[in-house]
Order: sequence, then structure tokens, then C-alpha cells
Amino acid sequence: DVKVTQSSRYLVKRTGEKVFLECVQDMDHENMFWYRQDPGLGLRLIYFSYDVKMKEKGDIPEGYSVSREKKERFSLILESASTNQTSMYLCASSQPPQETQYFGPGTRLLVL
Amino acid sequence: QKEVEQDPGPLSVPEGAIVSLNCTYSNSAFQYFMWYRQYSRKGPELLMYTYSSGNKEDGRFTAQVDKSSKYISLFIRDSQPSDSATYLCASNTGGFKTIFGAGTRLFVKA
Repeated sequence: DVKVTQSSRYLVKRTGEKVFLECVQDMDHENMFWYRQDPGLGLRLIYFSYDVKMKEKGDIPEGYSVSREKKERFSLILESASTNQTSMYLCASSQPPQETQYFGPGTRLLVL
Repeated sequence: QKEVEQDPGPLSVPEGAIVSLNCTYSNSAFQYFMWYRQYSRKGPELLMYTYSSGNKEDGRFTAQVDKSSKYISLFIRDSQPSDSATYLCASNTGGFKTIFGAGTRLFVKA
């Protein structure tokens, strides 16, 4: 079974703080993704990575950056957290050809 | 127009009912079709995926894709209260980007 883990289930941060969200997958998948999920807006892609050190912007990359130093680990960084970044953050991984994505449990981030 | 459209519901059914969840899509190049189940405050869990048209069955769940009408369905037989969740359909062309529906909330009443 594919397992995707995320470093925290719940986080509370203050406006302006730098926030790191970590994601690890154990299935040697090439591709990894970060989404945010908000009521009424569904899943929105922030960034994805198709190889170590490679990254591509998704639909809403502003205010975020990512890092993929090892194949199994993909980090999402909020450089200066703002209240509008309060959300559920979901990490996923996938493998060609079908690119079926497997999700982690999510991190609920509250920015005060 | 969104590439994958899904009625958000909520859909409420009695225990034991057959549930039909549906999505439509607009991109003819979509080849892979997925259904995810998401319980409250949890990550989406992959239920089933199908390639191209046809049916796929797994226990009480049947996924159906009709590429001619661009219609994706998930049927749940003998629905249980534990099936209460949000169900998301998703599609991709085989490339990186998967398009997700907004999800349908399902309530199965005991």
C-alpha cells in the first residue's frame, strides 16, 4: 500500500511566520503535489514536482515555495504566513502511466 | 466551464439504498478516471480508477465511464452509514495534472 505522511495534522501559526510543511511518500513515486482545500473551492494545486530538484507552479503558487531534495520528500514553505493561507493542505504522490494520486492525511493550518 | 463538473449535494439516502454519484467532463483527451472518498477532516482516499470507457467493480462499488457522453458514475450498493463522506471524481490525460470535481457530500441514514 502507498503511504503518504505529513509532518503535522494541525498547526497554529502567527501572521508573518515562516511555515514548513513536510510530506514523505514510501512508494518511490516520481511525482509529488501540494494542494490546498477550502470549502466551496475544492482542491487547488499549489506546486508539483516531477523529479528531485524539479518543480512546477500549479494554479495558485503565490505566497508559497517548495523544495524537493530527495525523491521521497516534498516540502511546502509559506515564506510569510498570512490569514488567507488558513486552510487544509494536502500532499499527494503519483507514478506514470496512470498518474493516480495518493494523498496524505492533510495538515490543517490556522494562521492568526 | 470547469473541466470536471460534480453536483455538490448533499445527497441523503436511507441505509441499504443504491447510491448513484455522477460527474461530467469536457476534455476528450482524459483517459484515466478516479473516484476518491474523503471523510471529514481527512485526506482523500483512492477508491477506484478506470482506464478509458467501461465498468469496474470492487465489492459494493462500481465505477462506470461513458466517453461518448463524457459521463463518470460511481454506484454504491447496499449503502452503509460508514459510506457517509464526500466523494470526489477526478480525471487526467496520463500527464501530471489531474482535474478534480468539487465533491458530492453523501449522508447514509441508519
